[in-house]
Amino acid sequence: AAGVIQSPRHLIKEKRETATLKCYPIPRHDTVYWYQQGPGQDPQFLISFYEKMQSDKGSIPDRFSAQQFSDYHSELNMSSLELGDSALYFCATYNQMVTEAFFGQGTRLTVV
Amino acid sequence: AQTVTQSQPEMSVQEAETVTLSCTYDTSENNYYLFWYKQPPSRQMILVIRQEAYKQQNATENRFSVNFQKAAKSFSLKISDSQLGDTAMYFCAFMSAGGTSYGKLTFGQGTILTVHP
Repeated sequence: AAGVIQSPRHLIKEKRETATLKCYPIPRHDTVYWYQQGPGQDPQFLISFYEKMQSDKGSIPDRFSAQQFSDYHSELNMSSLELGDSALYFCATYNQMVTEAFFGQGTRLTVV
Repeated sequence: AQTVTQSQPEMSVQEAETVTLSCTYDTSENNYYLFWYKQPPSRQMILVIRQEAYKQQNATENRFSVNFQKAAKSFSLKISDSQLGDTAMYFCAFMSAGGTSYGKLTFGQGTILTVHP
């Protein structure tokens, strides 16, 4: 069965650079959630989209932005990267017929 | 806002024995879902078990079962016949069943479980 695809799996960037993380949901999943998980921490909600519209917003820095496209994939854009942005970034996708999150394998971002 | 608390940062158990991980939560909602996720060293987030709040019967999934106490807002995970592959970080998570927050997971701090041979 198709799963949630995140790309890239690993990313190394320097401070003040920009990064773009992508999430491709399971077919017919119209909802995407983004989470940030720092080392040794629990995942923290960043932002979500339903039917290409932002549906909820968490503790997402102003330096970050995201959108969901017509094919339902989502991109998280991160600018002016800081060392503290180093983390594992997950996306999770749903549709209204399911009651569990389907997680991607995550993108490990390292800022040096 | 919902909060989820896991009061055991680390637990250990001998192979083949039973271990229980604790989780409490706070919410004013009546309809919601609770989950236990396993995160092994690969850091993939793996669903272990799910409980619907409207169901009184505790969920079970092979060696994994929960003790769901809605009034006490408690949701513990019992792992029977522990195996070395159960070694991982375990997260308890809450999800609203409706409204704009449907689908958003609130996680506990996690419990690192180590299974010893």
